[in-house]
Amino acid sequence: GENVEQHPSTLSVQEGDSAVIKCTYSDSASNYFPWYKQELGKRPQLIIDIRSNVGEKKDQRIAVTLNKTAKHFSLHITETQPEDSAVYFCAASIRAAGNKLTFGGGTRVLVKP
Amino acid sequence: GAGVSQTPSNKVTEKGKYVELRCDPISGHTALYWYRQSLGQGPEFLIYFQGTGAADDSGLPNDRFFAVRPEGSVSTLKIQRTERGDSAVYLCASSLSRDRGNNEQFFGPGTRLTVL
Repeated sequence: GENVEQHPSTLSVQEGDSAVIKCTYSDSASNYFPWYKQELGKRPQLIIDIRSNVGEKKDQRIAVTLNKTAKHFSLHITETQPEDSAVYFCAASIRAAGNKLTFGGGTRVLVKP
Repeated sequence: GAGVSQTPSNKVTEKGKYVELRCDPISGHTALYWYRQSLGQGPEFLIYFQGTGAADDSGLPNDRFFAVRPEGSVSTLKIQRTERGDSAVYLCASSLSRDRGNNEQFFGPGTRLTVL
């Protein structure tokens, strides 16, 4: 089955700096890659997603890149703010397999003011 | 309408007891997923429903776990003979429809299960 690895497990950045989180996946059939933000004790919330027919997607301060050949994708957060502090999860899924999500282990991001 | 809701928010039970966890998906969402999230880890897939039928239950850890969705809306996850290792947050998610290409899954707040 699919396996998703996520790095780093923790990331501390100064407010205003950029944060980058990287994920790799194992199943070349995966075609949907969402990123979720989870604050302590809260539900995961989708912040951005990308499909396999697209190499890059941007939404304000957040961008995601996908390299299908290397089977890795990354989340980029620019101009970080204290409210960006949370745990971020990458995930991968295959539409033909019902879109069940396989998650990475998470990255705890701390933005220091 | 409202987002995905789950009840109860917290459940404390004793080893060996039976528990039921409920999920109310977003109205009109035909796909429903259950995940389990242990402390410090990412959610792990348990089971997926498309309509009333369980399309994929490959993530259920053993036969003590069972889920139903009799009318294609509300789903109940049932755990028999609970064990301490079952303690986790159980998350439910729904999406509009796999077949319509809308992949986004909306998560509920979860049920925190503690088995003493």
